[in-house]
Amino acid sequence: EPEVTQTPSHQVTQMGQEVILRCVPISNHLYFYWYRQILGQKVEFLVSFYNNEISEKSEIFDDQFSVERPDGSNFTLKIRSTKLEDSAMYFCASVLNYEQYFGPGTRLTVT
Amino acid sequence: AQKITQTQPGMFVQEKEAVTLDCTYDTSDPSYGLFWYKQPSSGEMIFLIYQGSYDQQNATEGRYSLNFQKARKSANLVISASQLGDSAMYFCAMSLDTGRRALTFGSGTRLQVQP
Repeated sequence: EPEVTQTPSHQVTQMGQEVILRCVPISNHLYFYWYRQILGQKVEFLVSFYNNEISEKSEIFDDQFSVERPDGSNFTLKIRSTKLEDSAMYFCASVLNYEQYFGPGTRLTVT
Repeated sequence: AQKITQTQPGMFVQEKEAVTLDCTYDTSDPSYGLFWYKQPSSGEMIFLIYQGSYDQQNATEGRYSLNFQKARKSANLVISASQLGDSAMYFCAMSLDTGRRALTFGSGTRLQVQP
């Protein structure tokens, strides 16, 4: 069964550093998303991407964040200058019709 | 803006019994989708079931069914014949349109299945 993959599974970084989280969505899916989940809290939407551009973004997705689809398979989330409060699980998701398939997540720890 | 409310932070159920997890939602948009996801302790988000706002019948997927009451704006998840492996966090979510829009999640219900 096709699945969304994410790398790395865990990333530790120092405050102020840039991080890039990578996702490979399911191949025939057209819509891509990033969500985050701070430990013990609910899942929050960050950004959605369709047809090579951002289609929706939340208030969380400020100038420190950017997304790219550099080639036909990868979908990346970049955080330019990480803060302690960026520590969270980051999920990538993709959808064809309505069911959003989530990847296993990247746990980002900012120290 | 849409909102999802899950009022049960934790639930216990005996193995083999049925359990209902509550979810209410709020939106003024007539077109929306309702979802339930399971998050085991390993952390992944597993899609369980989907209900579209125009669907006349309640959605079912194996042991999962969604009790959709549109007038009351509720979308409760029913798990029949609970198994130990059902112990997890369960999140209700909604999106506008058919589900391609951003998902708004509730705060979740932690279900523990007891032998």
